[in-house]
Amino acid sequence: AQSVAQPEDQVNVAEGNPLTVKCTYSVSGNPYLFWYVQYPNRGLQFLLKYITGDNLVKGSYGFEAEFNKSQTSFHLKKPSALVSDSALYFCAVRAQNGGFKTIFGAGTRLFVKA
Amino acid sequence: EAGVAQSPRYKIIEKRQSVAFWCNPISGHATLYWYQQILGQGPKLLIQFQNNGVVDDSQLPKDRFSAERLKGVDSTLKIQPAKLEDSAVYLCASFGRVTDTQYFGPGTRLTVL
Repeated sequence: AQSVAQPEDQVNVAEGNPLTVKCTYSVSGNPYLFWYVQYPNRGLQFLLKYITGDNLVKGSYGFEAEFNKSQTSFHLKKPSALVSDSALYFCAVRAQNGGFKTIFGAGTRLFVKA
Repeated sequence: EAGVAQSPRYKIIEKRQSVAFWCNPISGHATLYWYQQILGQGPKLLIQFQNNGVVDDSQLPKDRFSAERLKGVDSTLKIQPAKLEDSAVYLCASFGRVTDTQYFGPGTRLTVL
């Protein structure tokens, strides 16, 4: 069965500092991995995805994520955080033979302090 | 390209009442999903459609929830009768095969009193 773990409920970082939001996954076979961001009273917005190829994936708003197969992780990163990055971040996984069924983590709230 | 549309955005009802939500996916997207997102949790899949057929409804509480996508385009999700624990945001998403990505609507926030 597919599962996603986001071990931190909240991440606090100062503006201008690098940020990391952690995600680990479990899936049979090769995974498709995604990060979404959710602002208050809004739906989920797609940030980036890993399908195959280069383990470092670049996405929207300066975010990137690194796929690590041996550690089954897909951590979200940004070199320099902005106050406007404060939001709820969700990691998601889909098995490549999973019929487009995507499982989401519980979410991590990112708080960037000015 | 227009995004996924949902209505209403907010709904307040009393327990035991009925409620329906509507979703119009991105044009051409054959796969449509309904998720339930309870406050503080990630989205939980309720039902997945491929065109007008149900692919996965294993987590849909079928005694009170129903969904349809009769013409393979827009979809409705109904709750009858509602319970207090149904208070959540109901998200609709559609899947683009070209981009291999799910796109979400703004959601409907349901409050059951």
